[in-house]
Amino acid sequence: DVKVTQSSRYLVKRTGEKVFLECVQDMDHENMFWYRQDPGLGLRLIYFSYDVKMKEKGDIPEGYSVSREKKERFSLILESASTNQTSMYLCASIPPAGPNTEAFFGQGTRLTVV
Amino acid sequence: QKEVEQNSGPLSVPEGAIASLNCTYSDRGSQSFFWYRQYSGKSPELIMFIYSNGDKEDGRFTAQLNKASQYVSLLIRDSQPSDSATYLCAVLNDYKLSFGAGTTVTVRA
Repeated sequence: DVKVTQSSRYLVKRTGEKVFLECVQDMDHENMFWYRQDPGLGLRLIYFSYDVKMKEKGDIPEGYSVSREKKERFSLILESASTNQTSMYLCASIPPAGPNTEAFFGQGTRLTVV
Repeated sequence: QKEVEQNSGPLSVPEGAIASLNCTYSDRGSQSFFWYRQYSGKSPELIMFIYSNGDKEDGRFTAQLNKASQYVSLLIRDSQPSDSATYLCAVLNDYKLSFGAGTTVTVRA
């Protein structure tokens, strides 16, 4: 079974802190994604990466950055956490793009910024 | 215009009825289309994917794709209380996987 693991299930950080959310997958997938999920808004794409050291902005990249130094690890960075970044963050990975590509999700990190 | 839009919910159906969920997408070059189910507090799980025009059936679920109209739907037949969840439509375009806002379905016993 594909496993996508996020480093924390729950996280509480203070405004202005630098926050790292880590995601690791064990199936050698090229493509990895970071989403945030807020009530009524579905999953909104923050950043995605289709290869090591490659990154693309999603729909809401402001206030975030990412790092993909190794194929299995995709990190989301909040440079200076703000209260409006309180949300559920979901990491996903998919195998090489094809018609029957399924995204596998981590368990999610609920981040609260106080 | 949002890349992926779903019909607004919530949707309430009686047990045994058909639940119909709709989704439209903006990029005509999109290749693959997915329906995910998400229970409260859990991560999304894949129900079905479809990439060719027409219908695809899997048990009580049927996905329909019409690329000319940029429309994909999901029918849930014989709805059960365990189908109560939020259903997310997702669209894959090159390397980018985009989701709609979701439709919450409640099946009344």
